[in-house]
Amino acid sequence: GESVGLHLPTLSVQEGDNSIINCAYSNSASDYFIWYKQESGKGPQFIIDIRSNMDKRQGQRVTVLLNKTVKHLSLQIAATQPGDSAVYFCASSWDSSYKLIFGSGTRLLVRP
Amino acid sequence: EPEVTQTPSHQVTQMGQEVILRCVPISNHLYFYWYRQILGQKVEFLVSFYNNEISEKSEIFDDQFSVERPDGSNFTLKIRSTKLEDSAMYFCASSPRGMDEKLFFGSGTQLSVL
Repeated sequence: GESVGLHLPTLSVQEGDNSIINCAYSNSASDYFIWYKQESGKGPQFIIDIRSNMDKRQGQRVTVLLNKTVKHLSLQIAATQPGDSAVYFCASSWDSSYKLIFGSGTRLLVRP
Repeated sequence: EPEVTQTPSHQVTQMGQEVILRCVPISNHLYFYWYRQILGQKVEFLVSFYNNEISEKSEIFDDQFSVERPDGSNFTLKIRSTKLEDSAMYFCASSPRGMDEKLFFGSGTQLSVL
């Protein structure tokens, strides 16, 4: 079946360290991937996306890596800050579909 | 920065009652969506809407659910006869062009069915 899952439910990092959040997807037809951040009481906020014709994309302090061979996606946050504390969701979609399939989320806790 | 707005932020209703959740998508976007998130669970797709018709819907979106764009700015989700299991956070989203692009989400409506 279709699913997008996360390896760890909670990740605790020291402020200033780099964070890596992982995600596995099962549908080999997935061709679009996206990371969202959700703070308490708010809707998902876009972080970064990547299409299947790429294996890496960088934004401001964030990098997404895509390994289609093992159907794995990761989000790297450089120099993690307290404001990065949130739940992070990966999601994917595929050609001819409007829907995003979300993973179950990883909570990132940043220690001061 | 333009954003998707949703009202109300909280809605409490009795089982069997009808509810309407309201959303104002970003003004130049053409595709509209409803997602829901049951407490502690994943965000789940309900329906997508384009050009005044449903373009895709999930198994969750049964005959009790309907969507409408009653005017040029609002997008609504109606649940005709609410059930306890409809209790969830409902998110509206919009996007400019549709497939394979980021969605902009609102802050959600927390629906509690008693």
